[in-house]
Amino acid sequence: AQSVAQPEDQVNVAEGNPLTVKCTYSVSGNPYLFWYVQYPNRGLQFLLKYITGDNLVKGSYGFEAEFNKSQTSFHLKKPSALVSDSALYFCAVRLNTGNQFYFGTGTSLTVIP
Amino acid sequence: DGGITQSPKYLFRKEGQNVTLSCEQNLNHDAMYWYRQDPGQGLRLIYYSQIVNDFQKGDIAEGYSVSREKKESFPLTVTSAQKNPTAFYLCASRQGASLNYNSPLHFGNGTRLTVT
Repeated sequence: AQSVAQPEDQVNVAEGNPLTVKCTYSVSGNPYLFWYVQYPNRGLQFLLKYITGDNLVKGSYGFEAEFNKSQTSFHLKKPSALVSDSALYFCAVRLNTGNQFYFGTGTSLTVIP
Repeated sequence: DGGITQSPKYLFRKEGQNVTLSCEQNLNHDAMYWYRQDPGQGLRLIYYSQIVNDFQKGDIAEGYSVSREKKESFPLTVTSAQKNPTAFYLCASRQGASLNYNSPLHFGNGTRLTVT
């Protein structure tokens, strides 16, 4: 079965510090990996995706993610957190077969001023 | 501006009533999706459609129905058979047909349904 895990329900970080939101996946084929952000009572906004190529992917609002095939991970990172980064973050995976996206349960990020 | 419009934003219904949630997109996307979001459970797929007049069940289709008569519209009906319908419902669309694997989902701003 295909699955995505976000092991931390909540991450707190001080403003200006680097942040990491973790994601691991379990799929039977080659994955396409995505990160989304959700603000309260809104839909999800696309941040970045990994298809193939460089393991470090750069996305919107200064976010980046590192793909690690051996650890089956795709952690979201930002060098310096902003209070406005506080939101709910979702990792998602899509296989190169089929049309479904599988989402993690989300990680709530709080950036403390 | 192109985007996905979900209406209404908030919806209240009595138990036993069917209710239809609207989703319209002007992105000219081929594929459309309905997800349900509950606290701590992430997003769960209800139905998706790759082309007009065709749709497939997702992981939690029981108690829901959809139609895809037009490319830009994908309404979701929550029937009285859905045991726990109170949730936040998200519609999404995606560019391209099956082979366009790297195109991301684009989401609407959701409809919060409360059934009492």
